[in-house]
Parts: sequence; structure tokens; C-alpha cells
Amino acid sequence: GDSVTQMEGPVTLSEEAFLTINCTYTATGYPSLFWYVQYPGEGLQLLLKATKADDKGSNKGFEATYRKETTSFHLEKGSVQVSDSAVYFCALSRSGGGADGLTFGKGTHLIIQP
Amino acid sequence: DAGVIQSPRHEVTEMGQEVTLRCKPISGHDYLFWYRQTMMRGLELLIYFNNNVPIDDSGMPEDRFSAKMPNASFSTLKIQPSEPRDSAVYFCASSLSGRGVFSAEQYFGPGTRLTVT
Repeated sequence: GDSVTQMEGPVTLSEEAFLTINCTYTATGYPSLFWYVQYPGEGLQLLLKATKADDKGSNKGFEATYRKETTSFHLEKGSVQVSDSAVYFCALSRSGGGADGLTFGKGTHLIIQP
Repeated sequence: DAGVIQSPRHEVTEMGQEVTLRCKPISGHDYLFWYRQTMMRGLELLIYFNNNVPIDDSGMPEDRFSAKMPNASFSTLKIQPSEPRDSAVYFCASSLSGRGVFSAEQYFGPGTRLTVT
């Protein structure tokens, strides 16, 4: 079946550091890929998405590129802020995200220190 | 828009009791999803509905779990009888596929934290 693997952390960085959170997936065909963010006590929010190979999703300074050859969708940000502290989930869907369930990684807890 | 609404936000119950979790999706959305989040297993899809009809319930762990969607604005997830291993955060999400399934996004509610003692 489909699966998503991501580094679990916690990942602790200083403010303005460069961020990479690795994500790889296993799925047949051409899934859509997502990064969701969860702030304490809240539900998940979509951060960015990519629906086909070589697409780059971006939002709020975060970027991720759909790499089919390496089955990866790594999340990057050039300069993190304390407000980026949260749990980040990589996920995949066969439909684009709305018409079937999402398969999630275990989540990466990111801590940004001032 | 009020977003996806879940109630209660917290539930503490004793083993063997019936638990009912409630979800109100975003108005006009035609898909509704129930997920469970635990430390051990992460986020798992339990069941989802399209236009109030269950499409895939293969993630429902046991017959003790049941979900219904009697109308487009309300869904319930029931556990009877509850067990300590059911302790988790349960999320409801909804989406609108009308613009094309490859552009739809799932919107999550704040979750219900269930503790079974």
C-alpha cells in the first residue's frame, strides 16, 4: 500500500537558519503530494501541494519540489522564524487531496529558538 | 466561514461507555473525512463520505466503531464500547471537489481529544 516516510525529530534550529525536512513516499502511479502544518491545539492546515512530477509547491517562504525519480518531496525554507515552530506532515493522495483520503507521514516536530 | 466544527473538544470517559463525536463540515462541501491521530500510529484515515454516502471504511479499526452522515451538515463517529486504546485525537475534515478533484483541499477541524480510562 501507499506510505510516506519523514524524519520525526524533534528538529531544533536557531532563528534565520535554513530548514530541510526530508520526505519520501511509496505509491503506484502518480500521487499528489502535500505538506500540512499543525500548530499546538489546532487542526492541520495545508501549507503547499504539488500534483505532478517536477511541480514546485510554495507558500509563506516554504518550498517543496515533486521528484518522481527519487520519490521525494522535501520541505525547505531559507530562513526560519520562531513562529514556524509546529509539527509538519508530509502526505499523499491519489486524487489531488479532496476526493480520497490522505496518507500521512508520522510528522516532524520543528522547534525554532530565538 | 466558521470552518469545520467538531464537538466536544475534549472527552474523558470510562472504559465500556459509549462515545459519540460530532462534526459539522464547511457548508457546501461534498466530502467528509474522519482521521485518528495517536503517538504510535500517527494520522490514520478511518472513513470518508461523498454526498453523505460512505465510500471507504476500510480504516475503521473494529466493529466497535461506526460513523454516519445523516445529512450534508452533520456527521457522527461512535465508539461502543470504548477501550483505553481508543484514546487519541479524532479529526474531521471536509472538501469540495466541484472545481475538479485535482485542485480540492481538505480543511481540518480542531479535533476531539478522547481519553478512555
